[in-house]
Amino acid sequence: SQKIEQNSEALNIQEGKTATLTCNYTNYSPAYLQWYRQDPGRGPVFLLLIRENEKEKRKERLKVTFDTTLKQSLFHITASQPADSATYLCALPTGANNLFFGTGTRLTVIP
Amino acid sequence: GAVVSQHPSRVICKSGTSVKIECRSLDFQATTMFWYRQFPKQSLMLMATSNEGSKATYEQGVEKDKFLINHASLTLSTLTVTSAHPEDSSFYICSARDFTGANVLTFGAGSRLTVL
Repeated sequence: SQKIEQNSEALNIQEGKTATLTCNYTNYSPAYLQWYRQDPGRGPVFLLLIRENEKEKRKERLKVTFDTTLKQSLFHITASQPADSATYLCALPTGANNLFFGTGTRLTVIP
Repeated sequence: GAVVSQHPSRVICKSGTSVKIECRSLDFQATTMFWYRQFPKQSLMLMATSNEGSKATYEQGVEKDKFLINHASLTLSTLTVTSAHPEDSSFYICSARDFTGANVLTFGAGSRLTVL
């Protein structure tokens, strides 16, 4: 069955450093992959979408890579700030036009 | 951008009662909305897909008679948890696909249900 693993449940990082989050998937060949941010007690907010034919996508301090051979996406936040502290979810499309979400990585940026 | 409004944000009810949660798309029409449930420290699990003017499609293991979904208009979907029990306590979140046509979901703020 399809499976998504975000291999760090929690990640602590010093302010100003680059945070790198990992999303691995198995039994899957997605046409694209998405990343969302979720704050406590709130719904997720869309950040970035990367397609299978794109190696890298950037948006301000965010960068996402997509390696379909490794079946992995990396999500980077450069010059991290305490306001970046949140849970970050990767999501892959299912056959029914829905999204299947990973369990998320809780990022804490320490001032 | 697309905005989805969800109400109420928090609800506490007694066991055996029913609770209705509303999900509205504020500046776009949503023929399809999705209802998710999230338990503490777990990811979002899709419960059902709400289709305007037709029956909802439920995921395996989700009781359609317990979680009633109505999508009566292009901007409103409701989820009613019937005869709620403590194990139904969870964070319920609705979403809709945004109007750009890409499969990007706009989520509501979620509803925290506590059943006593």
